[in-house]
Amino acid sequence: EDQVTQSPEALRLQEGESSSLNCSYTVSGLRGLFWYRQDPGKGPEFLFTLYSAGEEKEKERLKATLTKKESFLHITAPKPEDSATYLCAVQARFSGGYNKLIFGAGTRLAVHP
Amino acid sequence: NAGVMQNPRHLVRRRGQEARLRCSPMKGHSHVYWYRQLPEEGLKFMVYLQKENIIDESGMPKERFSAEFPKEGPSILRIQQVVRGDSAAYFCASSPLLTSSNTGELFFGEGSRLTVL
Repeated sequence: EDQVTQSPEALRLQEGESSSLNCSYTVSGLRGLFWYRQDPGKGPEFLFTLYSAGEEKEKERLKATLTKKESFLHITAPKPEDSATYLCAVQARFSGGYNKLIFGAGTRLAVHP
Repeated sequence: NAGVMQNPRHLVRRRGQEARLRCSPMKGHSHVYWYRQLPEEGLKFMVYLQKENIIDESGMPKERFSAEFPKEGPSILRIQQVVRGDSAAYFCASSPLLTSSNTGELFFGEGSRLTVL
């Protein structure tokens, strides 16, 4: 069964304290792995797509990496505005070619000044 | 350029009533998805629609739930005879015509939060 597990469930950081969020996945052929950010009371906002092991994407203080079994979202020198829930999702190769994504439960990040 | 619009944002129903959730996709988007988010759980795929067609409803409960995306007007997710277990946030998302460059990028609305008393 295809599934996504994210850890930790919650993470508290001081401003400037770098860390990483983990996303482990099992899927019957990976078409893509995606990171989204979700603020309280809002819908998820797309961050990155990764397609193959070894690929990396960066955006401001965030960098996403991918291996054959997991992905990491590295947060460098976070600021309070980075506080949010970060969601990881996968799309299976044989899912029909459309955005039928399998999401993890998310990591709730709180960055304190 | 308006994003994905969902309404109502909050809906309270008593057990046995009907809930109708509406979604207008982003301008130019012809693909609509509905996902459900239960408390402390991840988003779960429910259904994928194009105009006048249900493409994949494998995530929809077999009874009481239905979805449509008519030629004119918003997509509707309808839940008949609601039960307490239906309480959740229901998110609609849209995407443009799929190409190899935009796979996975869904544009989500702010969700409709259903509470069943």
